[in-house]
Amino acid sequence: AQSVAQPEDQVNVAEGNPLTVKCTYSVSGNPYLFWYVQYPNRGLQFLLKYITGDNLVKGSYGFEAEFNKSQTSFHLKKPSALVSDSALYFCAVRDDNAGNNRKLIWGLGTSLAVNP
Amino acid sequence: DAMVIQNPRYQVTQFGKPVTLSCSQTLNHNVMYWYQQKSSQAPKLLFHYYDKDFNNEADTPDNFQSRRPNTSFCFLDIRSPGLGDAAMYLCATSSRDRRSLGNEQFFGPGTRLTVL
Repeated sequence: AQSVAQPEDQVNVAEGNPLTVKCTYSVSGNPYLFWYVQYPNRGLQFLLKYITGDNLVKGSYGFEAEFNKSQTSFHLKKPSALVSDSALYFCAVRDDNAGNNRKLIWGLGTSLAVNP
Repeated sequence: DAMVIQNPRYQVTQFGKPVTLSCSQTLNHNVMYWYQQKSSQAPKLLFHYYDKDFNNEADTPDNFQSRRPNTSFCFLDIRSPGLGDAAMYLCATSSRDRRSLGNEQFFGPGTRLTVL
């Protein structure tokens, strides 16, 4: 069955330290992977995606993510966290079932808190 | 700027009183989605339109209906809101053609629905 897992409900990091938000996936074919961020009382904002090509994907606001096929992971990273990065982060993968590939399968989200 | 607009941002209705939420987009995307999101949970897809083709999720209650009169606009109708329908409702769009299998979804700011 296709799925996305975000194993951490919450991640706490000090400002200026590197951050990692974890995501693992399970799909039957090639994965199309996405990261979104949601600030309080706002819609989701697209950060980055992996479709094919380089395993390291760079996105908005200094975020990047590393696709690891052998570990079926797509962890979100940032070298130096900002307090303003505090938000809810969602990992998603395109539904690979026939006829469903306009839809995304979502992780449960990880709340990131960056402490000053 | 091209964007996804949702009105109103906050909607209060009474138990059982029909309510309509609206979404418009200037992106000229052919796919539009409606999601329900409760208290920092993952967004739950209710239905989506691929052009005029309506696609309902199997577990979307009959109480939820949608209309897409043209490419730019999409409406979510809740015929008899219950207390359990209080949530954030998110509209999203995506461009979908044979060349763009991995296109991301663009979200509006959401409408927070309160049911009294």
